[in-house]
Amino acid sequence: EVQLVESGGGLVQPGGSLRLSCAASGFSFSIHWMSWVRQAPGKGLEWVATIKQDGSEKYHVNSVKGRFTISRDNAKNSLYLQMNSLRVEDTAVYYCAKNPPGDYLDCWGQGTLVTVAS
Amino acid sequence: DVVMTQSPLSLPVTLGQPASISCRSSQSLVYSDGNTYLNWFQQRPGQSPRRLIYKVSNWDSGVPDRFSGSGSGTDFTLKISRVEAEDVGVYYCMQGTHWPHTFGQGTKLEIK
Repeated sequence: EVQLVESGGGLVQPGGSLRLSCAASGFSFSIHWMSWVRQAPGKGLEWVATIKQDGSEKYHVNSVKGRFTISRDNAKNSLYLQMNSLRVEDTAVYYCAKNPPGDYLDCWGQGTLVTVAS
Repeated sequence: DVVMTQSPLSLPVTLGQPASISCRSSQSLVYSDGNTYLNWFQQRPGQSPRRLIYKVSNWDSGVPDRFSGSGSGTDFTLKISRVEAEDVGVYYCMQGTHWPHTFGQGTKLEIK
C-alpha cells in the first residue's frame, strides 16, 4: 500500500524557516517524480513544486522561487521542502504527492500544517 | 501561467440526479507528446484530495464509473451520472501540461 507521511509543520514567525519531510513507502520511490501541493485555510489547491526522479530537474511556483527548495533522498525514500523567508501568505496545509510515470498527483499524503504568524 | 476556470463554483444536486462541472483553460492543454494532461480531483470534507480522472478521461483505480471526464484543447467536463451522498465535496481540475501546474478554483458539490 502506498503511504506518504508528511511531517515538520508548525508555527513559525514571518521571515523564519521550516523544513518539511515526506516519508514514502509501498512503492519504488526512486523511479517517481514527486510534488508538493498546498492549501491555505478554506481555500483551493495550489501546486508548489515538483522534482524529477534523480533530482536533476526541479520546478517551483513563482511565488516561492528563491525561498523554497524541493529536494529528495532516494536512499531514505524521503522528499523534502526547505522553506525560507516564510510569509503570512505561506500559511497552509502542505501535501506531498506521488507522480505516476507520465502523469501527476495520483497519491497524496494527509498533509502537514504550516502556520506563519507573529 | 495557464488559468483554469471552473463553473459552477457551487453545485447543489438532488440525490440520484446527474451533475456536470466545466473546466476551461486559458491555453491549449495538448502537450508536444500528443497527450492532454488534464486531471480531476475530489476532496471530501476533512480529507486529502484524491485523483479521480487523469489525461481527460481515464479513471483512477477504485473510482466509480458514474464519474466520467471528457473534453479537448481548452474545454473539459467532469460528469457524475447519478450523484450519491458520498460525492459531497470539492472538485478541482488541474493542468499538468505547462509549468507551473495550475488548479481550478474548485466546485463545491452539495446535496439539495
